[in-house]
Amino acid sequence: DVVLTQTPPTLSATIGQSVSISCRSSQSLLHSNGNTYLHWLLQRPGQSPQLLIYSVSRLESGVPNRFSGSGSGTDFTLKISGVEAEDLGVYYCVQGTHAPYTFGAGTKLELK
Amino acid sequence: QVQLKETGPGLVQPTQTLSITCTVSGFSLTSYYMQWVRQTPGKGLEWMGFIRSGGSTEYNSEFKSRLSISRDTSKNQVFLKMNSLKTEDTGVYYCARGVQDFDYWGQGVMVTVSS
Repeated sequence: DVVLTQTPPTLSATIGQSVSISCRSSQSLLHSNGNTYLHWLLQRPGQSPQLLIYSVSRLESGVPNRFSGSGSGTDFTLKISGVEAEDLGVYYCVQGTHAPYTFGAGTKLELK
Repeated sequence: QVQLKETGPGLVQPTQTLSITCTVSGFSLTSYYMQWVRQTPGKGLEWMGFIRSGGSTEYNSEFKSRLSISRDTSKNQVFLKMNSLKTEDTGVYYCARGVQDFDYWGQGVMVTVSS
């Protein structure tokens, strides 16, 4: 199974600060069809996960453009350019290239 | 608008069978894959399996032969059944829409496996 390693496990930020989360895969997430199915989710406290970024860098409808994703192959990054209070929660990367689909362990974003 | 809602028992005894229903609205099950994902204290988020828009299924081998996913398109419902439950199956069970992404999620249903 593909292992997704997220770092850091916890991130402390002030409002307005820019932060980045890394997700490294144990194997390439480039699908044979040319797409890379690496996505980012946010789970706010007490809520279900929601999709933020899909296919590495595509912003889900309704998600603020302070969120951006980048990367290829095995290394991926989620960046938040100017953290806002509503961004607090746990961020997960998830891959849909290789079955079984797998999730990272999460990065908790908290206020400093 | 797109909505997904899981319903199921809050408490299940060990060795028994878990049955959860995901009722959807705002889209057709014949046009989208439906995924099942669970979140447990021990393993975090785990993909369990999906049912394709055409009705075929694929499962995470982690759940071996314990898991079954089915649907009733006339009722806009997707079903999860898992047998031989263990205490470590305690967690929140989610249905989610998507092929290889998870663009909409239900609120989840908490399941506790305990005698």
